Amino acid sequence: EDQVTQSPEALRLQEGESSSLNCSYTVSGLRGLFWYRQDPGKGPEFLFTLYSAGEEKEKERLKATLTKKESFLHITAPKPEDSATYLCAGESSGTYKYIFGTGTRLKVLA
Amino acid sequence: DTAVSQTPKYLVTQMGNDKSIKCEQNLGHDTMYWYKQDSKKFLKIMFSYNNKELIINETVPNRFSPKSPDKAHLNLHINSLELGDSAVYFCASSHLEDSKGYTFGSGTRLTVV
Repeated sequence: EDQVTQSPEALRLQEGESSSLNCSYTVSGLRGLFWYRQDPGKGPEFLFTLYSAGEEKEKERLKATLTKKESFLHITAPKPEDSATYLCAGESSGTYKYIFGTGTRLKVLA
Repeated sequence: DTAVSQTPKYLVTQMGNDKSIKCEQNLGHDTMYWYKQDSKKFLKIMFSYNNKELIINETVPNRFSPKSPDKAHLNLHINSLELGDSAVYFCASSHLEDSKGYTFGSGTRLTVV
């Protein structure tokens, strides 16, 4: 059965303290691995798509990487405005279905 | 504004009632989705329509019925509401074959009392 697991469940960082979020996946025929950011009371907001092992994408303080079994979201020198829940999702080839992880709640303290 | 908009934002209703949630997108996307987010923040696909055709129909109670009158609209009707239906329901849209992910609406918080 397709599954996506994220860790840690929650993470508290001081401003400027870099860290990584993990997304482990078992998705048959992975078509794409997606990262989203969700703020309280809002819908998820698209960040990145990764397609193949070794691929990396960057946006401001965020960098997403992909291996054959997991993806990492690296946050460099985070700021309080980076506080949110970060979700990853795998899309299974041919089904067009996302399998979401349960997210990592990130809190960055000033 | 270009967006995915869903109404209402909040819905409080009694058990046994029937309710509808509406969703509209003006992004020109060809595919729309309904997701359910439970109290643990887990997002699960319910339905998806591509060009008004149902392409994903997950195992949900048949009390839930989606309707897509055109590519820009996907509504969700729920009959005989139960306590366990309480959740946040998100509508989303995308181009089926591209890599830019989904655009989500801001959600409808349904509370069944």
